[in-house]
Amino acid sequence: EDKVVQSPLSLVVHEGDTVTLNCSYEVTNFRSLLWYKQEKKAPTFLFMLTSSGIEKKSGRLSSILDKKELFSILNITATQTGDSAVYLCAVAAYGGSQGNLIFGKGTKLSVKP
Amino acid sequence: NAGVTQTPKFQVLKTGQSMTLQCAQDMNHNSMYWYRQDPGMGLRLIYYSASEGTTDKGEVPNGYNVSRLNKREFSLRLESAAPSQTSVYFCASTPRDRGPYEQYFGPGTRLTVT
Repeated sequence: EDKVVQSPLSLVVHEGDTVTLNCSYEVTNFRSLLWYKQEKKAPTFLFMLTSSGIEKKSGRLSSILDKKELFSILNITATQTGDSAVYLCAVAAYGGSQGNLIFGKGTKLSVKP
Repeated sequence: NAGVTQTPKFQVLKTGQSMTLQCAQDMNHNSMYWYRQDPGMGLRLIYYSASEGTTDKGEVPNGYNVSRLNKREFSLRLESAAPSQTSVYFCASTPRDRGPYEQYFGPGTRLTVT
């Protein structure tokens, strides 16, 4: 059975800290891995990763994929209170249900002032 | 562009009542999806529509029906609501050329069934 596992499930840090969120997966016919940020409402897209070892970066956020070890990390440097959210990892596969993104349960990040 | 819109934002139903959740997107996307999100369970796919006129079951379709009315609109119907359907429902869409990923989500509908 395909699955996506995120760790930790929750994390509390202080402003200025650097955090690393983890996502491991077991998916047949892996196509891509995506990261989303979810605040009070809809998930918003952060990154899509398809190739191993190529870092994607957006401001203080960065992510990398390891297709050999089947995991991805999301790094946030110099955290701010506005980074407080649930971070979702999802995996898309070739074939099967075309629409199916398999989501992990998310990591809830709380950044304290 | 409003993106993906959903109505209503909140709804309380009694067991056995029916209702339809509405979703519309103005991005000319081909594919649309319905998810439910429960505490500790992540997002689970209920139904999706790869294009106008087609719909397919996702991971948790039981108790739901969908209708892809046109390219813009994709509705989710609960024929006889049950407490187990208490959840937050998200609609999403994606352009065909990006496949089943980089989905754009609506703001969600919080449904409580008593």
